[in-house]
Amino acid sequence: AQTVTQSQPEMSVQEAETVTLSCTYDTSESDYYLFWYKQPPSRQMILVIRQEAYKQQNATENRFSVNFQKAAKSFSLKISDSQLGDAAMYFCAYRFTSGTYKYIFGTGTRLKVLA
Amino acid sequence: EAQVTQNPRYLITVTGKKLTVTCSQNMNHEYMSWYRQDPGLGLRQIYYSMNVEVTDKGDVPEGYKVSRKEKRNFPLILESPSPNQTSLYFCASSLYGTGTRGGYTFGSGTRLTVV
Repeated sequence: AQTVTQSQPEMSVQEAETVTLSCTYDTSESDYYLFWYKQPPSRQMILVIRQEAYKQQNATENRFSVNFQKAAKSFSLKISDSQLGDAAMYFCAYRFTSGTYKYIFGTGTRLKVLA
Repeated sequence: EAQVTQNPRYLITVTGKKLTVTCSQNMNHEYMSWYRQDPGLGLRQIYYSMNVEVTDKGDVPEGYKVSRKEKRNFPLILESPSPNQTSLYFCASSLYGTGTRGGYTFGSGTRLTVV
C-alpha cells in the first residue's frame, strides 16, 4: 500500500534562511502526482507546489522548490529566504493518476520561523 | 471567485444529535472528497465522489454518510455523532482524470466538537 512519511514533526528556521522539509513515499506505480500543501494558523489548506512523476525537472514556485528523487522515492521541499508568513504546517501528499485518484497525506511538519 | 464553501466553520454538538456539514463548489469539479484532520495523523479520507450519484468509502467511513445529488454539493452527514468524531473536517474538490494534476481546492474547514 502507498504511504507518505514526513519524519520531521517540527522544524525551525531563522528569517531569511533556507530550510528543507523532507518527505518520502512508497509506491509501486510509475506515474503519480506529488504535492506540498501549506496550512497556516487560519487552517486554510493552500497548494504550494506540485510535481508530476514523469517529469524529471524539479518544480519551482518563487521561493519554493522541490528536490524530486524518483528512484529514492523522495520529495523534499526547500523554502528559500524564509519569511514570517511561511510559518505553518506543511503536508506532503501523493495522488494516484487513475482509478480512485486517491490522495495520501503525510502527517505534517510544523515550521516555525524565528525573527 | 473559484472556491469551495464549507459550513459551518465551528460546531459544538451533543452525542447522538444528527448533524450535516455542507460543502459546495463553483468550479464544476467532478471529484469531491471529505477528510478529517487529527493531530499526528494528517488528513484521512472519509468519503469521495467521482461524479453525481457516484460515491465510495475512503479510509475512515464509519459513522459518516454522504450524498451527491448535484454536482456542486457534497454534504457530510453524521447520523449519531460520538466524541471520537471530534475533529477538523475538510471538503475538497478537483477536476477528474488528467485534471487531477492540478490538485485539490479545499474548503476552509469545520471544527467539530462532540460532547
